[in-house]
Amino acid sequence: KAGVTQTPRYLIKTRGQQVTLSCSPISGHRSVSWYQQTPGQGLQFLFEYFSETQRNKGNFPGRFSGRQFSNSRSEMNVSTLELGDSALYLCASSLVPTGNTDTQYFGPGTRLTVL
Amino acid sequence: EDQVTQSPEALRLQEGESSSLNCSYTVSGLRGLFWYRQDPGKGPEFLFTLYSAGEEKEKERLKATLTKKESFLHITAPKPEDSATYLCAVHPWGNLSGIIFGSGTRLSIRP
Repeated sequence: KAGVTQTPRYLIKTRGQQVTLSCSPISGHRSVSWYQQTPGQGLQFLFEYFSETQRNKGNFPGRFSGRQFSNSRSEMNVSTLELGDSALYLCASSLVPTGNTDTQYFGPGTRLTVL
Repeated sequence: EDQVTQSPEALRLQEGESSSLNCSYTVSGLRGLFWYRQDPGKGPEFLFTLYSAGEEKEKERLKATLTKKESFLHITAPKPEDSATYLCAVHPWGNLSGIIFGSGTRLSIRP
C-alpha cells in the first residue's frame, strides 16, 4: 500500500510570492492534516480536512489556506510569502478525522525555502 | 493551556545501554498520546498510540507507557539504527487546534 505522497519535495521561492503544495493521502484515508515544522517552533498544526471540509485550524495567519478534493487529495496555499515561512511542511492522513481515530501517517514533507 | 514537554532534549547512549525518554503533558482531558520517530529530512514515522493511564505498548526494542501526567519511551539495548528524533504528541479533548507536538528528543546511539 502506497504511503502519503507530497509534491514537490523541495521548493525555493522569493518573498511576496505564492506557493501551492500538494498531498495525496494513503488510499482509503479521508482525513488530511497539515503541519509546519521549523527548528525553533517544532511541529505546529495548520489545519485538518475531512470530506472536503475544514474541521480544525491552528493558530496561523489567513495567508495559509487549504482545500481538499473529492478524491481526498489536498492542497495548501501560502500567499505573500515571508522569510519566516521557510520550513518543512508535512501532510498526514488518517482513515477518519483525528477526533475519532488518532493514528496519523505522515508524508516525507515539502521543504520550502523563502529567499 | 494544553502543553507537551519532552526531556531530555538530546541523549547520547552507547550501543546496548538502555534508557528512557520522558514526555510530560498538561491537558484538560486526554483523548490520546502518540509517539513518533523522525529521521533527518523525513516525515515522522508512527510508533504508538496510548489512550489511558496504565496502558503499555511494545515494538521491538521500544516500549511506551502512560500515566496521568506523563509518558515514557523505554529503549532496551539500543542499536545505532535507533538513532533519530523521537516525538511525543497529545490530542486533548475538545481542542479544535488539533494534535500538539513536543519538541522532541534527539537520540544518538554510538556503536
